Amino acid sequence: GESVGLHLPTLSVQEGDNSIINCAYSNSASDYFIWYKQESGKGPQFIIDIRSNMDKRQGQRVTVLLNKTVKHLSLQIAATQPGDSAVYFCAENKGTYKYIFGTGTRLKVLA
Amino acid sequence: IAGITQAPTSQILAAGRRMTLRCTQDMRHNAMYWYRQDLGLGLRLIHYSNTAGTTGKGEVPDGYSVSRANTDDFPLTLASAVPSQTSVYFCASSEQGGVGYTFGSGTRLTVV
Repeated sequence: GESVGLHLPTLSVQEGDNSIINCAYSNSASDYFIWYKQESGKGPQFIIDIRSNMDKRQGQRVTVLLNKTVKHLSLQIAATQPGDSAVYFCAENKGTYKYIFGTGTRLKVLA
Repeated sequence: IAGITQAPTSQILAAGRRMTLRCTQDMRHNAMYWYRQDLGLGLRLIHYSNTAGTTGKGEVPDGYSVSRANTDDFPLTLASAVPSQTSVYFCASSEQGGVGYTFGSGTRLTVV
């Protein structure tokens, strides 16, 4: 299940550097994973997805890596920009139509 | 612009009062969901609907009810609000078998 914490983990990255955001998932039977981005005051927005039969998928400036052995997902953002500042969530499929979301990581991009 | 509309954007509600959060989508998605978002707890599923006329309970359904009379609308009702229901509520939808959700902008609810 999800871990419960009082504070959101924060990753601070210099503008132009690469960011790596990590996520541990709980269900080894999950077959589908998604990364979402949530900007302040807005709803989560789909970034990229990956199926369990893959270990890597690339999008525009983003790459998702899946390690099923240790149940770990990561989101890599290349050349991080100020507009990337947001909270990032991973989500795992837990049955038809239903997903479980991680608690999120706040990404701060430093100028 | 296609998407999900939630109303109200924010609300302060007295404990014990009844409140309905509205959610409308114009994408003809079959499935719709209500999540609440609390700091440190992430997004938790309250109720969902796979198709018009059907609903199901999520992780935290107590104190909430939903209906799905048609494809587009999925209102969430708090019959008698309590302070622990203070949260940000997100409605979402997805196509049947589709990838990921489309989320609304949320309703910030404070129960005092």
